[in-house]
Amino acid sequence: EPEVTQTPSHQVTQMGQEVILRCVPISNHLYFYWYRQILGQKVEFLVSFYNNEISEKSEIFDDQFSVERPDGSNFTLKIRSTKLEDSAMYFCASSDAGGGKTQYFGPGTRLLVL
Amino acid sequence: AQTVTQSQPEMSVQEAETVTLSCTYDTSENNYYLFWYKQPPSRQMILVIRQEAYKQQNATENRFSVNFQKAAKSFSLKISDSQLGDTAMYFCAFMKEYSGYALNFGKGTSLLVTP
Repeated sequence: EPEVTQTPSHQVTQMGQEVILRCVPISNHLYFYWYRQILGQKVEFLVSFYNNEISEKSEIFDDQFSVERPDGSNFTLKIRSTKLEDSAMYFCASSDAGGGKTQYFGPGTRLLVL
Repeated sequence: AQTVTQSQPEMSVQEAETVTLSCTYDTSENNYYLFWYKQPPSRQMILVIRQEAYKQQNATENRFSVNFQKAAKSFSLKISDSQLGDTAMYFCAFMKEYSGYALNFGKGTSLLVTP
């Protein structure tokens, strides 16, 4: 069964460093998402992406964040200058359409900013 | 902005019993979608069930069913014949119909299934 994959599974970085989180969505999916979950808290929406542009972004997704689909398979989230409060689990998700279609989540990348 | 409320932070149920997790939401939208996701200790997010607001019939997936009350803005999840593998965090989520299709999650209910 097709699945969303994410790399790395864990990343430790120093405050102020740039990190890139990578995702490979399900191959025939057209909509891509990033969410984050700070430990013990709810899952929060960051951004959705369709047709090579951002469809929607939350207040969390400020100028420090960017997304890109550099080729036909990868979908990346870049954090330019990490802060301590960026420590969280980051989930990528994809769906074959919008309109209430099921979003399939990857296993997540656990980011720790020291 | 839509608010999703899960009023039960923790619940427990014995194996083979039935448990109901509650979820309420606040929206002015008429068309939207509702979801229940399960997050086991591995922290993977797994879809349990989804409901379109325009459908009056409650969704069912095997042992999982929902009670969708649109007027009351309530969307509860019933798990029948609970199994040990059902132990997980359960998140209720709301999605507007016309948007970037962001899922707006509640804070979750931690369900423990005991032998």
